[in-house]
Amino acid sequence: DPKIIQKPKYLVAVTGSEKILICEQYLGHNAMYWYRQSAKKPLEFMFSYSYQKLMDNQTASSRFQPQSSKKNHLDLQITALKPDDSATYFCASSQDPGQGADTGQLYFGEGSKLTVL
Amino acid sequence: GDQVEQSPSALSLHEGTGSALRCNFTTTMRAVQWFQQNSRGSLINLFYLASGTKENGRLKSTFNSKESYSTLHIRDAQLEDSGTYFCAAEAGNYKYVFGAGTRLKVIA
Repeated sequence: DPKIIQKPKYLVAVTGSEKILICEQYLGHNAMYWYRQSAKKPLEFMFSYSYQKLMDNQTASSRFQPQSSKKNHLDLQITALKPDDSATYFCASSQDPGQGADTGQLYFGEGSKLTVL
Repeated sequence: GDQVEQSPSALSLHEGTGSALRCNFTTTMRAVQWFQQNSRGSLINLFYLASGTKENGRLKSTFNSKESYSTLHIRDAQLEDSGTYFCAAEAGNYKYVFGAGTRLKVIA
C-alpha cells in the first residue's frame, strides 16, 4: 500500500485557473516537502514543513501556497496558473533530519502531473 | 547557492557490465541519498548515507563528506536497472538539493 498518497495523479488546467494538489503521508513523519520536476530542470526543492510549520521556502512566486491542516497533510495550492507551471509535483516526507541515524531519509509519493494549457 | 554536479549525464551499459556515477558537492553536505526514477516516474530509494559505504545487492554507494562527493557503483547491470539515477544532498535542515540525474540505458 502506498504510504504517501498524492491526488490527483494527473490534472489539466487552463491558464489563469487555480488548483490544489493533495498530499497525505502515513509514515508517521513530522517533516513534509514539495518538489517539482519539469522537462527543463531536475527535481527542484520548493517547500519544507515540520510539525505544520514552514521550515524552508525556495519558491519565488507567492502563487504557490502550501497548506497543512494536519501534521501528516501538506497540500499545495497554485493560483493564476501559467503554462510554465506544467510539471510533475512530488510530495515527500522524512523524520526530522539530524535527530539520529537515517532520520533525514526522504520518501516520495508517486507525483501529480500538472499540464497547464 | 548549494550545488550538486552529477556525472555522467547519460550512460549506456551492456548487460553484465558495470560503471560508477558520481556527485560532487560545492559545499559541505550532511548526508546524501540516491534514487532511481523508473519508467513510470516513481522515485525509488536506493541509499541514504551520512558517511562511509553501503552495499545492497549489485549496488554500492560511498559518501565522502570531507572531499564532498558521493559515488554509486552498479555492477552486473540488468535491463531493469534502466532509468534515471539522482543523488540528493542534505544541504541543511529540511532542504535537499538534487543533481541533474544520470540517464542509464542497459542494453541486452
